[in-house]
This record gives sequence, structure tokens and C-alpha cells, in this order.
Amino acid sequence: GENVEQHPSTLSVQEGDSAVIKCTYSDSASNYFPWYKQELGKGPQLIIDIRSNVGEKKDQRIAVTLNKTAKHFSLHITETQPEDSAVYFCAARGSTSNTGKLIFGQGTTLQVKP
Amino acid sequence: DVKVTQSSRYLVKRTGEKVFLECVQDMDHENMFWYRQDPGLGLRLIYFSYDVKMKEKGDIPEGYSVSREKKERFSLILESASTNQTSMYLCASSAGGADTQYFGPGTRLTVL
Repeated sequence: GENVEQHPSTLSVQEGDSAVIKCTYSDSASNYFPWYKQELGKGPQLIIDIRSNVGEKKDQRIAVTLNKTAKHFSLHITETQPEDSAVYFCAARGSTSNTGKLIFGQGTTLQVKP
Repeated sequence: DVKVTQSSRYLVKRTGEKVFLECVQDMDHENMFWYRQDPGLGLRLIYFSYDVKMKEKGDIPEGYSVSREKKERFSLILESASTNQTSMYLCASSAGGADTQYFGPGTRLTVL
């Protein structure tokens, strides 16, 4: 079945450094790739997404890149701040989905040390 | 702002009990989802619904059922709770044809 693999499972960086989280997907027909951030005690919230017709998208300190040939996409956070500490999930929308069904990765716990 | 609420933040039940988890959204969304979140496994889809009284199995439906009698409410039912159903349960909703899912805060269920 469709699968999304996410690495690393945990990531610790110093404040101000960059953080990169990578995901690979199995369904070559997937066309939508969101990233969600889950803060402690809260549900996940969408922070950025990319579609298959775009290679890169930026929003202030966060960016996402997509390599369709290799079937992987990455989240880049620059100038990390303590409030970036959270669990991050990547996801992919399966090709057969017309109801917004997403396949999520395993999650990455990011810790930004002050 | 979209708001998704879940009936309980924490719940403790006994093995064999019937458990109801309720989710309500206030944005007239067509699609609603139930996930469970476990460390190292991410979010796994249990069931989803794209319309009132409609439901589809997700990736791990065994041991669960759902009910959607009204558009704003989606209930997850554990017919006979077991210890391996101890988990964080997240509800989400999205508008028909839209991509963004909005999540509730989650219910941490412990089955003893």
C-alpha cells in the first residue's frame, strides 16, 4: 500500500541553526505534500504544503522542496527558535483520494536548544 | 477560525467497556477523519467520512466503528475496548475538495 517514510525520528539543534527533515513516498502518482506541526498538548496544524507541479516553496523561515523523480520531499527550517520545538509530520495525498485522505509519516521530534 | 473539539482530553476505561469518542466541527466541513497517534508510528487513519451517514475504512479499522448522523459530528466507537487501543486519538475535518485538515486537540485514552 501507500507509504511515507520520515527521518530522522528526533532532531536536536542549537538556536539559530538550520533543521532539515526528510520524507520519501511510495505512490508516484501522489500530488500533494503537506507538513504539519504539533505543539505539546495540541493537535497538528498545517504549516506549509507543496504540490507536484512545484519544486520548492518558501514561507519566511520555512521551506519545502520536492524531488518527484526520487519521490522525496524535505522541510527546511532556518534560524531556528525555541518555539520551533515540536513534532513535525510530513504527509502525502494518495493518487486515488478524492476526499483529502492523507498518508502521514512517523513524525520528527525537533528540539531547539536556547 | 475553524474549530474542532473533542469531548474529552483524557479518558480511562476498563477492558471490555464500550467507549465513545465524540468530535464536533463548526465549519460545515464535508470530510471528517479519525486517527490514532502512537510513538514511532505517526498518525494512522482509522475511519473517515465524506458526507453524513457515509463512512470509509482507513488503514486500521479493526476494533473500531464510526457514526456520522449529523454533518458537524463524527463519533468513534470502540465496541469492546482492549489494552492495545490505549493511544492518542485525533479527529480532523476538511472542506470538500480542499486539502487542509484541521485537527482537534486529541483524546488520550487509557484502557486498563
